Amino acid sequence: AQTVTQSQPEMSVQEAETVTLSCTYDTSENNYYLFWYKQPPSRQMILVIRQEAYKQQNATENRFSVNFQKAAKSFSLKISDSQLGDTAMYFCAFGNTGKLIFGQGTTLQVKP
Amino acid sequence: GAGVSQSPSNKVTEKGKDVELRCDPISGHTALYWYRQSLGQGLEFLIYFQGNSAPDKSGLPSDRFSAERTGGSVSTLTIQRTQQEDSAVYLCASSSRTGLIYGYTFGSGTRLTVV
Repeated sequence: AQTVTQSQPEMSVQEAETVTLSCTYDTSENNYYLFWYKQPPSRQMILVIRQEAYKQQNATENRFSVNFQKAAKSFSLKISDSQLGDTAMYFCAFGNTGKLIFGQGTTLQVKP
Repeated sequence: GAGVSQSPSNKVTEKGKDVELRCDPISGHTALYWYRQSLGQGLEFLIYFQGNSAPDKSGLPSDRFSAERTGGSVSTLTIQRTQQEDSAVYLCASSSRTGLIYGYTFGSGTRLTVV
């Protein structure tokens, strides 16, 4: 069975600094997709970034980038120039067919 | 609609009562998913619909939980004889036929409190 592990329950970062959130997963599949979602206090889950496993190039979306290490089954999220609005819970998710499997989440607080 | 709509936004119910939670997906999205999120926890998969059929209902925690989808659109999650451990946020998401490539679009959830 596929599993997703986020080993950092809570993290904090100073505004304008860089922070990296960790995610590892376990699967025997070769083709799959990985995602990072953000959940602010409003509860709305927002897609931050996605990665297709067959692509070696790491995905980037503005201040958000990933470090995808397929052999190590690692998918970390780097947030550059952190902003107060980045304060939220972040979830890593894995999917290949049908449903997405989510990690337990990392609560990120950006401090002024 | 423009987004995934869930109702009610909040629901307080007495233990033992039945509740119905509604999800209205994005128009044209064929796949619909229900997840449960307990306080400060991750998302627990409940059930997945493709059209009106549910190819994966493996996450429903007990036979008190059921869900249906009609017309390939609106879905209702029903919890019978609610228990305090059912208290959680219930999230609905939808995606297009090839939506897994792009992830899901989530609703804002229904916060269920069983007292």
